[in-house]
Amino acid sequence: GENVEQHPSTLSVQEGDSAVIKCTYSDSASNYFPWYKQELGKRPQLIIDIRSNVGEKKDQRIAVTLNKTAKHFSLHITETQPEDSAVYFCAATYTGANSKLTFGKGITLSVRP
Amino acid sequence: GAVVSQHPSRVICKSGTSVKIECRSLDFQATTMFWYRQFPKKSLMLMATSNEGSKATYEQGVEKDKFLINHASLTLSTLTVTSAHPEDSSFYICSARDGGEIGNEQFFGPGTRLTVL
Repeated sequence: GENVEQHPSTLSVQEGDSAVIKCTYSDSASNYFPWYKQELGKRPQLIIDIRSNVGEKKDQRIAVTLNKTAKHFSLHITETQPEDSAVYFCAATYTGANSKLTFGKGITLSVRP
Repeated sequence: GAVVSQHPSRVICKSGTSVKIECRSLDFQATTMFWYRQFPKKSLMLMATSNEGSKATYEQGVEKDKFLINHASLTLSTLTVTSAHPEDSSFYICSARDGGEIGNEQFFGPGTRLTVL
């Protein structure tokens, strides 16, 4: 089965700096990679996703890159703000009726004002 | 994005009782729903996958007789924790997926915090 690794477990950055969170996956059949943001006690919210037919996707301050050869994908947040502080989960899956997301362990991002 | 609701948001019950949690997709038909359990400061642990009109598929180590799942319609799935014990206390989150144009996107409910006394 798929195995998604996410490191480190915590990341602290100064407000205005960029944050990069990296994940690796094991199953070459995976072709869909979403990123979720979860604030304390709240539901995970999809913030961006990428499919294996593209190498990069951007949405305002957030971008995701995918390297299929190395089997890793990264979340990039620019101009970080205190409200970006949360737990971020990466996940991987393949397209199919019986597919299910495999989540990384999550990273706690703290943005210092 | 699509909206998924979950009810109740918080429940406290006595040990030995059963608790039912509802998960609804409000603006789309969910062919597949997922139930997760999340411990404090931990990742989401998939418990089971439910498809409308068929039996749920449970992950290894999850007791199907303990955690009953019913996906009776395309907009509703329920999780019943039977004979709850303190170790069942956790944050339970459902998600729903529309197998159509949305593809693999999953939309999460707000979660249910279960406390068993």
